[in-house]
Amino acid sequence: NAGVTQTPKFQVLKTGQSMTLQCAQDMNHEYMSWYRQDPGMGLRLIHYSVGAGITDQGEVPNGYNVSRSTTEDFPLRLLSAAPSQTSVYFCASRRGQGALEQYFGPGTRLTVT
Amino acid sequence: DAKTTQPNSMESNEEEPVHLPCNHSTISGTDYIHWYRQLPSQGPEYVIHGLTSNVNNRMASLAIAEDRKSSTLILHRATLRDAAVYYCILRYTQGGSEKLVFGKGTKLTVNP
Repeated sequence: NAGVTQTPKFQVLKTGQSMTLQCAQDMNHEYMSWYRQDPGMGLRLIHYSVGAGITDQGEVPNGYNVSRSTTEDFPLRLLSAAPSQTSVYFCASRRGQGALEQYFGPGTRLTVT
Repeated sequence: DAKTTQPNSMESNEEEPVHLPCNHSTISGTDYIHWYRQLPSQGPEYVIHGLTSNVNNRMASLAIAEDRKSSTLILHRATLRDAAVYYCILRYTQGGSEKLVFGKGTKLTVNP
């Protein structure tokens, strides 16, 4: 199993541009989520999904959209990038909403200039 | 929000035990206590979790206070590879959904 994969690893955007961060998992996990991590801070939940077709907002959802058309994929879209969205983004998955162990991807480092 | 409090940093020597404390005074009866660690330039990695009783696994032990307002992650023999940021997290339910809220964590330095 590849586990949780994320692409790209690095990205530089100009203010106002849009892009999609890709996340995929091959463990047939129902629950997937996106976090952002800013320097010196912990992880903050952006959006999550409890299964295909179902998504919900986390702690810091503004400026981001998600969709979940398949169990495997959970892309994160930045609609109009802002410098405040410069961060490292982590995708995570777990077997179900009640599962206790969460698996994280390697992260995408995004810089918005 | 369920919150945890951890020291910003701790230091240990290789092959010595390490006790990483965490306070979670607002914990409710159904909140699980999770520990994750994050090595440099990597995503967080699950370490251990518990509810009321002490727990052991191949990576670490988790000691939970009787009133559940604090817990301690124990690395029995620290190695250089254990140098990481350790996060103590409460898993709680809000609005019908379960959430993990990460704090700032404890940066563990292991000296050779």
